[in-house]
Amino acid sequence: NAGVMQNPRHLVRRRGQEARLRCSPMKGHSHVYWYRQLPEEGLKFMVYLQKENIIDESGMPKERFSAEFPKEGPSILRIQQVVRGDSAAYFCASSPPGGDQPQHFGDGTRLSIL
Amino acid sequence: AQSVTQPDIHITVSEGASLELRCNYSYGATPYLFWYVQSPGQGLQLLLKYFSGDTLVQGIKGFEAEFKRSQSSFNLRKPSVHWSDAAEYFCAVGNSGYSTLTFGKGTMLLVSP
Repeated sequence: NAGVMQNPRHLVRRRGQEARLRCSPMKGHSHVYWYRQLPEEGLKFMVYLQKENIIDESGMPKERFSAEFPKEGPSILRIQQVVRGDSAAYFCASSPPGGDQPQHFGDGTRLSIL
Repeated sequence: AQSVTQPDIHITVSEGASLELRCNYSYGATPYLFWYVQSPGQGLQLLLKYFSGDTLVQGIKGFEAEFKRSQSSFNLRKPSVHWSDAAEYFCAVGNSGYSTLTFGKGTMLLVSP
């Protein structure tokens, strides 16, 4: 049973470009969460999605960041017009439907902005 | 708002010695508590969780944690540390239902020979 799959593992972008990060949840999981980890910091919640719905985006920056989880295919975290401060590790987690379920994490995407 | 404090940024323990990593939380209701471990360049692996019931929780790799409501703590323990336990450990708190997790800043565990 494959775990949470994130790709790419490493992504390099120049300032002003777009970054797309993908996350395929574990089989049977319909809840997806995105977190960002800055150097020497813990993970910060960004957004929580279910299929075709954004449930909680209280941690998302107001501009340039968006997320989706379509009916078919992986969840996508999109960052437009990247800046140096976007350099971080971005982690996706998933959990099954129903309450009180722990989240399982992918290995993350390390985003570097030149 | 909920928050998690891990007061120790780094801890060094001799191999074979016991380990305790501290975690204090702030939350208005009964919290859901988690410990995760992260090896360099990897994602987070769930060690154990507390939702309700017995306040002493057993996890994987020989770890356990004790929920103490009076102290707002959820400290992680292991009786004998192995070199392979060297990693960063994160404590997290969530709420019931869906759980967007709030993480502490982590404790880096170093294991000396």
